[in-house]
Amino acid sequence: QKEVEQNSGPLSVPEGAIASLNCTYSDRGSQSFFWYRQYSGKSPELIMFIYSNGDKEDGRFTAQLNKASQYVSLLIRDSQPSDSATYLCAVRGNYGQNFVFGPGTRLSVLP
Amino acid sequence: EAGVAQSPRYKIIEKRQSVAFWCNPISGHATLYWYQQILGQGPKLLIQFQNNGVVDDSQLPKDRFSAERLKGVDSTLKIQPAKLEDSAVYLCASSLGRTRQVYSGNTIYFGEGSWLTVV
Repeated sequence: QKEVEQNSGPLSVPEGAIASLNCTYSDRGSQSFFWYRQYSGKSPELIMFIYSNGDKEDGRFTAQLNKASQYVSLLIRDSQPSDSATYLCAVRGNYGQNFVFGPGTRLSVLP
Repeated sequence: EAGVAQSPRYKIIEKRQSVAFWCNPISGHATLYWYQQILGQGPKLLIQFQNNGVVDDSQLPKDRFSAERLKGVDSTLKIQPAKLEDSAVYLCASSLGRTRQVYSGNTIYFGEGSWLTVV
């Protein structure tokens, strides 16, 4: 059974700081890696995905992937109180394999 | 483009009763997923369909849960009889399918969820 692990948090950062969220996965055959944001009482929404080693930037968000270490992270620059949510890491294998989600990290950005 | 539609949004039932949830995926999405999310946890896959065939139902409690996607479009998830521990949000999601997997990431998109409380 594939496993995806995240620190449950809460992770508290002051407004304007960089929030760093981490995720590790057990299946070396995993191909695609996703970060979803979930506000309380809402369904998950995609922030970004990454499938190659290195960094991928989208606005204030940067995803980092290191397949050798089986590690993926999400950096949020200039954190805003509206970024306060649970961030879910999801991992997908080869064709047809399902997404496996981590337990999520709760982020709190303090004004 | 319309998103993933789910109904009902909220349901309260007594234990041992039955309940059914409906999902209509994004148009053209071949893959449909049902996830269970218990409060404070990440979503757990219950069943994955590719068109109208089951790809993965290894974590579906088959003694009480059933799901179907008869025409390869919308889907129904049923629980009978319900237990207290079934209280959760049932999330339906969809994705394009097997084509264009790697380069698009083949992202899954979630519906608003169906909130179930078993009392």
